[in-house]
Amino acid sequence: QSVLTQPPSVSAAPGQKVTISCSGSSSNIGNNYVSWYQQLPGTAPKLLIYDNNKRPSGIPDRFSGSKSGTSATLGITGLQTGDEADYYCGTWDNSLSGWVFGGGTKLTVL
Amino acid sequence: QVQLQESGPGLVKPSETLSLTCTVSGGSISSYYLNWIRQPPGKGLEWIGYIAYYGSTNYNPSLKSRVTISVDTSKNQISLRLSSVTAADTAVYYCARVTQLAVGFFDYWGQGALLTVSS
Repeated sequence: QSVLTQPPSVSAAPGQKVTISCSGSSSNIGNNYVSWYQQLPGTAPKLLIYDNNKRPSGIPDRFSGSKSGTSATLGITGLQTGDEADYYCGTWDNSLSGWVFGGGTKLTVL
Repeated sequence: QVQLQESGPGLVKPSETLSLTCTVSGGSISSYYLNWIRQPPGKGLEWIGYIAYYGSTNYNPSLKSRVTISVDTSKNQISLRLSSVTAADTAVYYCARVTQLAVGFFDYWGQGALLTVSS
């Protein structure tokens, strides 16, 4: 059972937009930055979004992040088949003094 | 370019101690925190713990009684020891870097090392 809650799966057609939610509490998302990771099949996770809404160099602006209260959202526009992957949210948890992750969301581009 | 590389035995027997090493290249491990994160087959990510270059550690309470993370700055390496393993410890083990606690994020990851617990 993950500390952060994500939907198990989302799907959309190529070119469309999708959002992935991540829900937590005041001990984690509510008082800390959220980051998002993309995990392509058979590979290690890759940083996609940090500090709630910032993109590392090389990540296209089709990917965006936002946070409100104890929830965060990852948005992906102009979906491509290459975006099919598992997406994880993560943040620091003040009670744990460590990091927590969501259970992951599998994106299918139909 | 910073690179992290995990290495380990691949197979461990139940009740034994798992040992993994993460070697960092392309930069010194000083000034940041190295973490172990694992992913059981078909499941999500679980943070195991971190170590600072100066040796300070913190572990996930769910694993704390069985985990030890150590650092060897002369080799730019950290190590993970997990005792009394069971099949539930079968997972891909990743090391990943953060530059700050609390406000940090995992910007570099190793490729992962699969560890199977089986007799």
